[in-house]
Amino acid sequence: KAGVTQTPRYLIKTRGQQVTLSCSPISGHRSVSWYQQTPGQGLQFLFEYFSETQRNKGNFPGRFSGRQFSNSRSEMNVSTLELGDSALYLCASRPMLGQVTEKLFFGSGTQLSVL
Amino acid sequence: AQSVTQLDSQVPVFEEAPVELRCNYSSSVSVYLFWYVQYPNQGLQLLLKYLSGSTLVKGINGFEAEFNKSQTSFHLRKPSVHISDTAEYFCAVSDTSGGSYIPTFGRGTSLIVHP
Repeated sequence: KAGVTQTPRYLIKTRGQQVTLSCSPISGHRSVSWYQQTPGQGLQFLFEYFSETQRNKGNFPGRFSGRQFSNSRSEMNVSTLELGDSALYLCASRPMLGQVTEKLFFGSGTQLSVL
Repeated sequence: AQSVTQLDSQVPVFEEAPVELRCNYSSSVSVYLFWYVQYPNQGLQLLLKYLSGSTLVKGINGFEAEFNKSQTSFHLRKPSVHISDTAEYFCAVSDTSGGSYIPTFGRGTSLIVHP
């Protein structure tokens, strides 16, 4: 089985621009979560999607949004980029919602640099 | 709400020496606990998890962790480390209520194994 695939691997943007990141979960996984990873803050939860609906949301401003398609693929969008948005964005999938016994499977991430 | 504190941001150790990575959590309810590892340029992988039962949990690659409810700790140990264990290690906690089981991650501990 292919793992969680995130594209692109690297992105360089300037302040004020917007960016879209893509995540393809493991085949059969219907839940997709997004995390922001920075050296100072570690991993912070952005949101989780299941069946094309946002089910859980972290404490991020509305500039961060996402969506999920019928094939479970997910995209994350950040508008009006700020320097502080520079981070590694990780996507994780699991088969269903609310199954603590099911581990999260992570992609390798998209490294976003905002100049 | 729960939180996780990883007391050491960096732990240097020589090859074949034992290591302990410390993790403390706070939560008003019962919790599930996890350790994930992130090798360079990769996503996170689950090392081990505590859901219930025996407080000593064994994981992959020779790692183990002990859940101590009175001290609200879940320290990770390995009796003899290898160069290949050099990575970032994340402790995570998920409370048993709510049903979403979204884990809260610590800021990570960088384990550096020297030859």
